[in-house]
Amino acid sequence: GENVEQHPSTLSVQEGDSAVIKCTYSDSASNYFPWYKQELGKGPQLIIDIRSNVGEKKDQRIAVTLNKTAKHFSLHITETQPEDSAVYFCAASRGSYIPTFGRGTSLIVHP
Amino acid sequence: GAGVSQSPSNKVTEKGKDVELRCDPISGHTALYWYRQRLGQGLEFLIYFQGNSAPDKSGLPSDRFSAERTGESVSTLTIQRTQQEDSAVYLCASSPTGTGHQPQHFGDGTRLSIL
Repeated sequence: GENVEQHPSTLSVQEGDSAVIKCTYSDSASNYFPWYKQELGKGPQLIIDIRSNVGEKKDQRIAVTLNKTAKHFSLHITETQPEDSAVYFCAASRGSYIPTFGRGTSLIVHP
Repeated sequence: GAGVSQSPSNKVTEKGKDVELRCDPISGHTALYWYRQRLGQGLEFLIYFQGNSAPDKSGLPSDRFSAERTGESVSTLTIQRTQQEDSAVYLCASSPTGTGHQPQHFGDGTRLSIL
């Protein structure tokens, strides 16, 4: 089955800095890669996703890049703000298979 | 519009009691998922419904756990004879068709505490 590894487990940055979270996956047939943000006491919420026919996708301060050859994808957050502090999860899926999630990254943005 | 709704939001119960957790998915979503999240941990897949059928129950940790879905809508997760290790947040998610190419919409979970 699919295996998704996510790094780092904790990331601490100063407000205004950039943050990068990386995920690798094992199943070369995976073709959908969403990222979720989970705030304290809430369920995960989708923030951006990418499909395998695209190498990069941006939405304001958030971007995701995908390297299918290397089987890794990354979340980039620029100009971080304290409200970006949360746990971020990556996931990988294909077809009708259940998505496989990474173990999460706790992002702390210091004012 | 309404998102995924879970109830209760918090449940405290004594070891050995049975509990039922409820999930109301987004209307029209045929796929429904249950996950368990222990404190500070990731998402542990429990069960997946497509309509009222559960093609994948592989994540249920023991026979004390069961789930059902009716009317292609509401789902209940039942834990019998609860144990302290069952303490966790139980999250429900739904997606339009469950093809895997669509994002999951999560509820805010039920925080279960076993005394």
